[in-house]
Order: sequence, then structure tokens, then C-alpha cells
Amino acid sequence: DAGVIQSPRHEVTEMGQEVTLRCKPISGHNSLFWYRQTMMRGLELLIYFNNNVPIDDSGMPEDRFSAKMPNASFSTLKIQPSEPRDSAVYFCASSPQTTGAGNTIYFGEGSWLTVV
Amino acid sequence: KQEVTQIPAALSVPEGENLVLNCSFTDSAIYNLQWFRQDPGKGLTSLLLIQSSQREQTSGRLNASLDKSSGRSTLYIAASQPGDSATYLCAVDGGANNLFFGTGTRLTVIP
Repeated sequence: DAGVIQSPRHEVTEMGQEVTLRCKPISGHNSLFWYRQTMMRGLELLIYFNNNVPIDDSGMPEDRFSAKMPNASFSTLKIQPSEPRDSAVYFCASSPQTTGAGNTIYFGEGSWLTVV
Repeated sequence: KQEVTQIPAALSVPEGENLVLNCSFTDSAIYNLQWFRQDPGKGLTSLLLIQSSQREQTSGRLNASLDKSSGRSTLYIAASQPGDSATYLCAVDGGANNLFFGTGTRLTVIP
């Protein structure tokens, strides 16, 4: 299996522009997660989906952030409009079932976002 | 809210040494605890997962222990190698698919 695939790997954009990050989870995995990693705050869960349905989006920082999972093999995280403080590494991850059941979570290599 | 702390933030050791990384958490009501490795510019790779009912897990030169009552876990690396250089993160699973991550320990193994 190719693992969790994210695109783009790197993006530099100007403040105010729309940013769309994409994720393809591992085939057969039912849970998909979006995390953000910064030096100041470490890894934070933004949102997770179970069977394509958003279950908990309480980590989404504000209305400028939105996430969708139209099917089992694709998810997007959108920031509109982007701001410099959104600069971070955004990770997508997937898991066969719920992590609480002892299922390992698999991370993509991240999308490195810089907003100038 | 669960808080996860890792000490030290950075550690340098000569090759061949055995070492211990520490992780502590504030809420003992956990489902499991995982240790991850993160290489620069890469995602996280799961190393070991300990269920809440378990005390330890081993994989090769790695051994992770869990003491739920005291809110502590350790990752023991035997006979360290330069290839072990990376950032190690622990994560506590409180259920509901929510992992709480520590900020990591950056390990450098000097040849």
C-alpha cells in the first residue's frame, strides 16, 4: 500500500488566498484525521471523520477552516481566506477503525504551508 | 483536558548507549498510549502501542512501559544507533478517536 498520500507537499501563498489541502487515506481505513503541527502548539487534532462523516470538528480553529470527505478515498482541508498565522504543517492520517480500540494511526508526510 | 508532557525536550547520547525517554499525562482514564517517531520533514510513524490493560510492549530494541495510575510511560531504546536520531512523541488516546500528543523529545545519537 502507498500509505496516506497528501498534496501539495509544500505551498507558499499570499495572505487572503484560498488554500486547499488534499488527502487520500489508506484503502479500507474508516477513520480519517486532519492534524496541524506548529512549534508553539505541537500537534493538534483539527477534525476527524468516521465512514466519511465528520464526527468531531471542535479543533477547527475558526470558520475560515473547512473540511470535507466526499468519499472513502478523498478528503480536503480548505482555508479561506488564509492568514500568516495559519503557517504550519498539516497532516492527514487514517486508521482502520477507531484509535481507542487499539488501531494504529498512519500519517501522511504532511503539507507544509507558508502564508506570507 | 488531557495534558501530555515529555522530558527532556532534547537529548544527545553517544552511539551504543541505552536511553530512556519519558512521557507523563494528567488524566489516567486512557484507552491506550502510543509512541511515534518523526524524522525531519516527514510524518509520524507508530512504533509501539500499549493498551490501557497492558504494562509494556516490546519491538526489537524498543521497550515501552505504561503506569496508568501514576500517569507515566517510558520508551527504552537499547544500544542506540545514529539511525535512531529523530523526534519521539508519545500520544494518549482518551477514546473517541482523540489522540493527545506530547511535544516530543528530539534525540541525537552521536557516532
